[in-house]
Amino acid sequence: GESVGLHLPSLSVQEGDNSIINCAYSNSASDYFIWYKQESGKGPQFIIDIRSNMDKRQGQRVTVLLNKTVKHLSLQIAATQPGDSAVYFCAENTPGSARQLTFGSGTQLTVLP
Amino acid sequence: SAVISQKPSRDICQRGTSLTIQCQVDSQVTMMFWYRQQPGQSLTLIATANQGSEATYESGFVIDKFPISRPNLTFSTLTVSNMSPEDSSIYLCSATGQNQETQYFGPGTRLLVL
Repeated sequence: GESVGLHLPSLSVQEGDNSIINCAYSNSASDYFIWYKQESGKGPQFIIDIRSNMDKRQGQRVTVLLNKTVKHLSLQIAATQPGDSAVYFCAENTPGSARQLTFGSGTQLTVLP
Repeated sequence: SAVISQKPSRDICQRGTSLTIQCQVDSQVTMMFWYRQQPGQSLTLIATANQGSEATYESGFVIDKFPISRPNLTFSTLTVSNMSPEDSSIYLCSATGQNQETQYFGPGTRLLVL
């Protein structure tokens, strides 16, 4: 599917603080979700994923929360570091879509010193 | 996870010419995809590259403009044909991992058409 976005939402946080990046997904039938991090000049990098039978999953310094009732996904980054500055995309996979991902519009995270 | 490389990493091309982008995966994968990412925007799926058969294109993308090959399970090419400045973008290749759902991305090819 195509994501339409003329500009990226942005979030600025102080180094050491926690960051929360939000995403509203589009299809209530989606059963698999991924968060990607894209640094300037690079391709998207897999961060963490979650299936629809879960509402929370933790990784190293990151937590993904899924609220299927309101079709909302969030990525929490603990103790944000300068290297976390990037654009973050959520993506959803819907059964029967031939493994295609639909991407959200992305959020630019800037970590302030 | 799959490690994916793309060539070229960037190019500047004249309008009316064509550019072929190569994508190489370090292991056999089932699914390979091509995306376009315009400046400051999200990723748009161009097509699914099918091994041994014609690619499956998304709405708004056609084979004459974006011919795709996938001769084996680890390699695919995307050609941007008869380029115009509107084709200036980042082109990304992705492939699924062993679970056949998680997509891993190459570093992208940055194309500027003058």
